[in-house]
Amino acid sequence: DTAVSQTPKYLVTQMGNDKSIKCEQNLGHDTMYWYKQDSKKFLKIMFSYNNKELIINETVPNRFSPKSPDKAHLNLHINSLELGDSAVYFCASSRGEGRGTEAFFGQGTRLTVV
Amino acid sequence: GDSVTQMEGPVTLSEEAFLTINCTYTATGYPSLFWYVQYPGEGLQLLLKATKADDKGSNKGFEATYRKETTSFHLEKGSVQVSDSAVYFCALIPNNAGNMLTFGGGTRLMVKP
Repeated sequence: DTAVSQTPKYLVTQMGNDKSIKCEQNLGHDTMYWYKQDSKKFLKIMFSYNNKELIINETVPNRFSPKSPDKAHLNLHINSLELGDSAVYFCASSRGEGRGTEAFFGQGTRLTVV
Repeated sequence: GDSVTQMEGPVTLSEEAFLTINCTYTATGYPSLFWYVQYPGEGLQLLLKATKADDKGSNKGFEATYRKETTSFHLEKGSVQVSDSAVYFCALIPNNAGNMLTFGGGTRLMVKP
């Protein structure tokens, strides 16, 4: 069983559209994340979420919003897509407590906005 | 703010060569330090970690030592294999920022037979 799974793996869409990326983890973790990897492989945190708190990276446009229907899922909604949103988006999860806790990553969703 | 700087790649080596990928960080206090590896077309996997000064993380022949005095966490392997070809990311979690990772820019390693 895949620990952290994302769908779809590839997403091609036009500018201005609204899209969602789904993420599920079966590890029983209580914290989930979204990271963005740009074309130069640079990775940046977008959101951290557990059942108590949503932490948003201040550089993330408000067109991006995480939605968590339950502890095992954290979906990413993107409104009014722009060319600059093209990137690979990674979902991850970890135990909420403990120093140096390992994060488990999904395989990524490559989003291409045309 | 907190940041991680690692050497730019690509690093190209022959099989069985010695590998060093430099990583330095800027953070207050004592962050936790990590190396993650990304194989082609895959997500990131934890390679090793260290949570306090002078700790050595090791896994699959790779090692890195948490050096507080030089704020460094260099990755080393004595003899690389073709299968080690991947992108390596140095990362930290600050003392007081939950478990959100701050990554370096990544270093691509290419190992030739």
